[in-house]
Amino acid sequence: DAMVIQNPRYQVTQFGKPVTLSCSQTLNHNVMYWYQQKSSQAPKLLFHYYDKDFNNEADTPDNFQSRRPNTSFCFLDIRSPGLGDAAMYLCATSRYPTDVAPQHFGDGTRLSIL
Amino acid sequence: AQSVTQLGSHVSVSEGALVLLRCNYSSSVPPYLFWYVQYPNQGLQLLLKYTTGATLVKGINGFEAEFKKSETSFHLTKPSAHMSDAAEYFCAVSALGAGNKLTFGGGTRVLVKP
Repeated sequence: DAMVIQNPRYQVTQFGKPVTLSCSQTLNHNVMYWYQQKSSQAPKLLFHYYDKDFNNEADTPDNFQSRRPNTSFCFLDIRSPGLGDAAMYLCATSRYPTDVAPQHFGDGTRLSIL
Repeated sequence: AQSVTQLGSHVSVSEGALVLLRCNYSSSVPPYLFWYVQYPNQGLQLLLKYTTGATLVKGINGFEAEFKKSETSFHLTKPSAHMSDAAEYFCAVSALGAGNKLTFGGGTRVLVKP
């Protein structure tokens, strides 16, 4: 089945040690999103790619970056994780940014910071 | 700008009883409205959506929601709760021109009592 796959499901890193989270999709969608969801909170959009065009939310910290080497893959890089970055990170896709088609979500990566 | 308010961060219902989750939105343009469900340690799954047309929208798992423009509401209901409905529910709003960016409410956690 076509789907959005996030790896790993659980990631533990040390304070200040760079970490990369991975998302792949078999939907051939043009748009890929990254959300941060802290405990008992709603998902918060960090940024999204429309094809190769990167769109950063105004309040996303500089510590968070993203790469999209091809249509299928998108990575979230956290350069120097702090304790406040512990959260579930959700990847989502849409065919086009102007579609009303809802975003398809992966199951997330839960990031813990030691 | 858009915003969503979900009344009640926690709702407890008995199995077989009515489930009612409240959502009010604010939008300067005609909204697109969504309800998502999130089970523990999983991503978001779309329950239903309203874009245009019929204001009573039916979704998966027996859920439905009614768009009421005059009340700026999009409440979610299910006539008879099942144990499997225990999860967190998010209301979200988007709109044409918003780049398909979803703005989420704070979520409502549903507990189903036997």
